[in-house]
Amino acid sequence: EDQVTQSPEALRLQEGESSSLNCSYTVSGLRGLFWYRQDPGKGPEFLFTLYSAGEEKEKERLKATLTKKESFLHITAPKPEDSATYLCAVQAGGQNFVFGPGTRLSVLP
Amino acid sequence: DAEITQSPRHKITETGRQVTLACHQTWNHNNMFWYRQDLGHGLRLIHYSYGVQDTNKGEVSDGYSVSRSNTEDLPLTLESAASSQTSVYFCASSRQNTDTQYFGPGTRLTVL
Repeated sequence: EDQVTQSPEALRLQEGESSSLNCSYTVSGLRGLFWYRQDPGKGPEFLFTLYSAGEEKEKERLKATLTKKESFLHITAPKPEDSATYLCAVQAGGQNFVFGPGTRLSVLP
Repeated sequence: DAEITQSPRHKITETGRQVTLACHQTWNHNNMFWYRQDLGHGLRLIHYSYGVQDTNKGEVSDGYSVSRSNTEDLPLTLESAASSQTSVYFCASSRQNTDTQYFGPGTRLTVL
């Protein structure tokens, strides 16, 4: 059975304090790994797709990386507006997305 | 701009009533999905469709049904609402099976 876990469950950072969020997965035949950002009361907003180990994607202060067992979302010099829940999802042989529980990030000014 | 919308945004109903949640997308995407999101469970797939007249059961389909009569819409019906179906419901769509899924704003459903 495909499984996705995310850690930590919650993370509090000071503005400018860089850190990383982890997404670990066990799937048979990874087709893609997706990162989303979700603000309170809103739907998930797409950030990145990664398809193969070694791949990296960047957008502003965010950088996503992928290995054969996990993905990291690195946040460099975060700002309060980066506060959100970050969701990871994998798509495997079954084609449907399997989502992790998310990491709730708070960036304090 | 193309988009995906859900209605209503908030709904309160009583146990045993039939409820239909609407999802409409203007991207002309073939694939549409319904998820529920609950604390401690993340997003779980209820039903999905890969095209008109196609519907499939997801991980938590009991008590829910969908129908796809056109490309733009995938309404989700709760045949007889139960308190366990109190949740936030999200609709999503994608162009192809391996494409990114784009989400609507969600419907918060409370079953009393």
